[in-house]
Amino acid sequence: EVQLVESGGGLVQPGRSLRLSCAASGFTFDDYAMHWVRQAPGKGLEWVSGISWNSGSIGYADSVKGRFTISRDNAKNSLYLQMNSLRAEDTALYYCAKELAAAFDYWGQGTLVTVSS
Amino acid sequence: EIVLTQSPGTLSLSPGERATLSCRASQSVSSSYLAWYQQKPGQAPRLLIYGASSRATGIPDRFSGSGSGTDFTLTISRLEPEDFAVYYCQQYGSLWTFGQGTKVEIK
Repeated sequence: EVQLVESGGGLVQPGRSLRLSCAASGFTFDDYAMHWVRQAPGKGLEWVSGISWNSGSIGYADSVKGRFTISRDNAKNSLYLQMNSLRAEDTALYYCAKELAAAFDYWGQGTLVTVSS
Repeated sequence: EIVLTQSPGTLSLSPGERATLSCRASQSVSSSYLAWYQQKPGQAPRLLIYGASSRATGIPDRFSGSGSGTDFTLTISRLEPEDFAVYYCQQYGSLWTFGQGTKVEIK
């Protein structure tokens, strides 16, 4: 059974940093690209960042480019999102998702990031 | 960036009725890279359709996807009580984007 478990969310002040993690199991992690997708409270889905199986291809939404860094450790079956210079508008539930044919076929339950003073 | 516009914003229907949801792209999207998701309150999204028309694993055949170019459609042939939810389309061009969602509510 595929499982994606996010962690690392919490309350953080504007301008500070946070690192999210996603632990994957139930599939061959290093065969698949992985992504972060967020959802602000009461709002729709927003793709944040994605990384190919070997970290050779990485992309970011314009809203986070230059502030967020995605990475993965295939030996640990883990995906990460380093978030710097956080803003109030980054407040959201952050989902980790596995890619299949440019779609996201498995999702975690999300970790909540709240940026507030 | 390709912008996806979903319509209508809200669809009010009764169980057993047919639901037709639209997703229009600001520029042409490869059919291989158009997907649909269902999201219920408090839950993560669930993949329904990928490649514009391929059902994901375990998705009932009352869900179908169609379209090409800039116009795509998700059809639910006969609404079941568990189908009332928010639906999102998503595309991959050079980056991924989602539509703003269509809420299917009970009339």
